[in-house]
Amino acid sequence: GAGVSQSPSNKVTEKGKDVELRCDPISGHTALYWYRQSLGQGLEFLIYFQGNSAPDKSGLPSDRFSAERTGGSVSTLTIQRTQQEDSAVYLCASSQASGRAGGQYFGPGTRLTVT
Amino acid sequence: GESVGLHLPTLSVQEGDNSIINCAYSNSASDYFIWYKQESGKGPQFIIDIRSNMDKRQGQRVTVLLNKTVKHLSLQIAATQPGDSAVYFCAEKNPGTYKYIFGTGTRLKVLA
Repeated sequence: GAGVSQSPSNKVTEKGKDVELRCDPISGHTALYWYRQSLGQGLEFLIYFQGNSAPDKSGLPSDRFSAERTGGSVSTLTIQRTQQEDSAVYLCASSQASGRAGGQYFGPGTRLTVT
Repeated sequence: GESVGLHLPTLSVQEGDNSIINCAYSNSASDYFIWYKQESGKGPQFIIDIRSNMDKRQGQRVTVLLNKTVKHLSLQIAATQPGDSAVYFCAEKNPGTYKYIFGTGTRLKVLA
């Protein structure tokens, strides 16, 4: 079956504009994660969804960042009033359930560049 | 705070040799560990995992070793191939939580 998909693959935006990043997880996966990866760095946890609920939003860097998930499937990460420090690759991952073995399946990421 | 780090940021090995990538973790309560491989322009790909009740697990050409005494994790790749060139991340998870903590990664370069 299809893996995790993300769109767009690349996004260039001007400072101050809003952006929306989309994640389509693997069908049936109840857990969904958003991470941010800056150049040459590890993965920074942003938010986790179990179904449509987000038990932990503590990783979101500021109130400019928000995310939602609908129908237990697609998730959207929104960044308002983008800043240059928001430039990074945003990765989405899904898994069958949190805490289960097998890890997470990652999408290819969205590369965000804020000019 | 919690952290997962790697001893060697870059590792160069000759094709055919074995590779060992190391990782240190700080939370002794972590009970599940994963190694991921990330190729350029792609998301991380699951390689192998291990639970804290084990000290060794083998896959195809890969072996993960866990030393809980010194909170150390390693990934061994046998007969390293050019296709193994990538950045490798370790990640840990605490029991009863959903959050994975990733290290900064080690770049593996395979020399022909």
